[in-house]
Amino acid sequence: EVQLVQSGAEVKKPGESLKISCKGSGYSFTNYWIGWVRQMPGKGLEWMGIIYPDDSDTRYSPSFQGQVTISADKSISTAYLQWSSLKASDTAMYYCACGSNSGRFDYWGQGTLVAVSS
Amino acid sequence: QSALTQPASVSGSPGQSITISCTGTSSDVGGYNYVSWYQQHPGKAPKLIIYDVSDRPSGVSNRFSGSKSGNTASLTISGLQAEDEADYYCSSYISSGVFGGGTKLAVL
Repeated sequence: EVQLVQSGAEVKKPGESLKISCKGSGYSFTNYWIGWVRQMPGKGLEWMGIIYPDDSDTRYSPSFQGQVTISADKSISTAYLQWSSLKASDTAMYYCACGSNSGRFDYWGQGTLVAVSS
Repeated sequence: QSALTQPASVSGSPGQSITISCTGTSSDVGGYNYVSWYQQHPGKAPKLIIYDVSDRPSGVSNRFSGSKSGNTASLTISGLQAEDEADYYCSSYISSGVFGGGTKLAVL
């Protein structure tokens, strides 16, 4: 059974750094793209970026390029989403999801809630 | 990349059919057949229901179907059921991805 298990909820202050994780199991982690999707409170889904764990080929949405860093450690089947300096506007639910090279997301994690407030 | 355009809401009665449109440009929806649709119930993670314009993942009801004409993709749900009440999002991918703004489906 394919599973993506994300790290727990985070409460941070503006300016702090953060790295959340997504561990895959039940499939060949290196052969599927893993992406990150933001959902701000009461809003729609936003495509942030994807990474191919086998060679770390990474593609960002222009909206998120330079704002976050996506990485993966294939030795432990885990992908990451990282911020160097959080803003209040980063408050959202963040989902990881995996899928094929047609850009679809077949399987989703349970989501990680990030709250940023002073 | 601008978000794809979806109607904010649609509604239908049990047993009826509804169609949700998803309009983009020749640089996304119209460019390739990489259009996906997702269903999201409140408080839950999204679920893939259509990929590559019209293919259904294993286990997804055949009441869900997808199509595309030019720069507009469409999701049709036939035989509406109460459990179909959810938010629906289209997505397109060409080197980078984009979602539609989402459509809230009410089953009256």
